[in-house]
Amino acid sequence: EVQLVESGGGLVQPGGSLRLSCAASGFNFNGYSMNWVRQAPGKGLEWLSYIDYNSRTIYYADSVKGRFTISRDNARKSLYLQMNSLRVDDTAVYYCAKWGEVGPTGAYFDYWGQGTLVTVSS
Amino acid sequence: QSVLTQPPSASGTPGQRVTISCSGSSSNIGSNYVYWYQQLPGMAPKLLIYRNNQRPSGVPDRFSGSKSDTSASLAISGLRSEDEADYYCAAWDDSLSAAVFGGGTKVTAL
Repeated sequence: EVQLVESGGGLVQPGGSLRLSCAASGFNFNGYSMNWVRQAPGKGLEWLSYIDYNSRTIYYADSVKGRFTISRDNARKSLYLQMNSLRVDDTAVYYCAKWGEVGPTGAYFDYWGQGTLVTVSS
Repeated sequence: QSVLTQPPSASGTPGQRVTISCSGSSSNIGSNYVYWYQQLPGMAPKLLIYRNNQRPSGVPDRFSGSKSDTSASLAISGLRSEDEADYYCAAWDDSLSAAVFGGGTKVTAL
């Protein structure tokens, strides 16, 4: 059974940093691309970042480019999101999602974690 | 403002057919696959339809997807109370080099 478990969320002040983790199990992690998607309170879904299986292809949404960094450790079966220069409007539930497509383009998130809440507030 | 446009709400009585539209452009829906997600209250999103009209195993066949030019739609045939949820369309956008979502449609069973 595919399982994705996010951790690392919490309360952080504007301008601060936070590192999210996603522990994967139940599938061959080093064979699949992964993503981060977030959802602000009461709002819709927003894709943030994509990383392919060997970390050679990475994409970011314009809203986080230059501030967030996606990475993975295939030996640890883990996905990460380093978030710097956090703003109040980064407050959201952050989901990691497994990529279901063969190539790097699409919106095929076939499995999702339960999410971790990040609150940016002074 | 979402790149893909969905109506904010849709409703029907149990047993009715409900359709949700998703409008995009030539750089997203017009040239790429469309995907649909269901988000039950308080839960993580779940993949409902992939590659325009394919259902993952376990998704009931009363959910169906279609695409035409720069628009797509999700149909729920025989609406049930457990279908009350938010539904999101998504696609890759070639101009943005990004996955984009619609704003979501809240479906209510009256």
